[in-house]
Amino acid sequence: NAGVMQNPRHLVRRRGQEARLRCSPMKGHSHVYWYRQLPEEGLKFMVYLQKENIIDESGMPKERFSAEFPKEGPSILRIQQVVRGDSAAYFCASSPGDRGAEAFFGQGTRLTVV
Amino acid sequence: GNSVTQMEGPVTLSEEAFLTINCTYTATGYPSLFWYVQYPGEGLQLLLKATKADDKGSNKGFEATYRKETTSFHLEKGSVQVSDSAVYFCALEKTSYDKVIFGPGTSLSVIP
Repeated sequence: NAGVMQNPRHLVRRRGQEARLRCSPMKGHSHVYWYRQLPEEGLKFMVYLQKENIIDESGMPKERFSAEFPKEGPSILRIQQVVRGDSAAYFCASSPGDRGAEAFFGQGTRLTVV
Repeated sequence: GNSVTQMEGPVTLSEEAFLTINCTYTATGYPSLFWYVQYPGEGLQLLLKATKADDKGSNKGFEATYRKETTSFHLEKGSVQVSDSAVYFCALEKTSYDKVIFGPGTSLSVIP
């Protein structure tokens, strides 16, 4: 049973481009969480999704950021018109139920905006 | 609001030294408390947890006791190894469906 798979591991984007981060949850997991980790800071919750539904997006910036978890395929975190301040590590976690604290984490995508 | 505070790092210890990483929290009610470990280049792994006051979580030689009276959940290990070098995060979760609140992390380096 493969773990949570995130790709790409490293992503470089120029300012103004779009970044698409993918997360394939563990088999059998229907709950996905996205977190952002800025340098020297802890993880900040962004969004919690179940299949085809956004349950809690209270940590998502109102503009330029969106997330989806379709019925088929990976969860996608999309950042439009990236700015330097979006440079961070983005982690996805998945769980079979609604216990976010016991979710399994992927290795993260490190986004660098140049 | 809910928050988690950890001692600032980096912490550098010699192998076999005793480790304490302090964690205090602010929350209403009775949250569940967690410690996570993040090895270089990796995602977080749940290390241990405690769900009610006076519970002791333990794993891989690490321990932490949920102290309601001092709102603390300090991480301890009696004898650290070089392989314990990582960043440690304290976290709380009030209920399921609540987002997890992480502390800022404490970096630990263990030298031979």
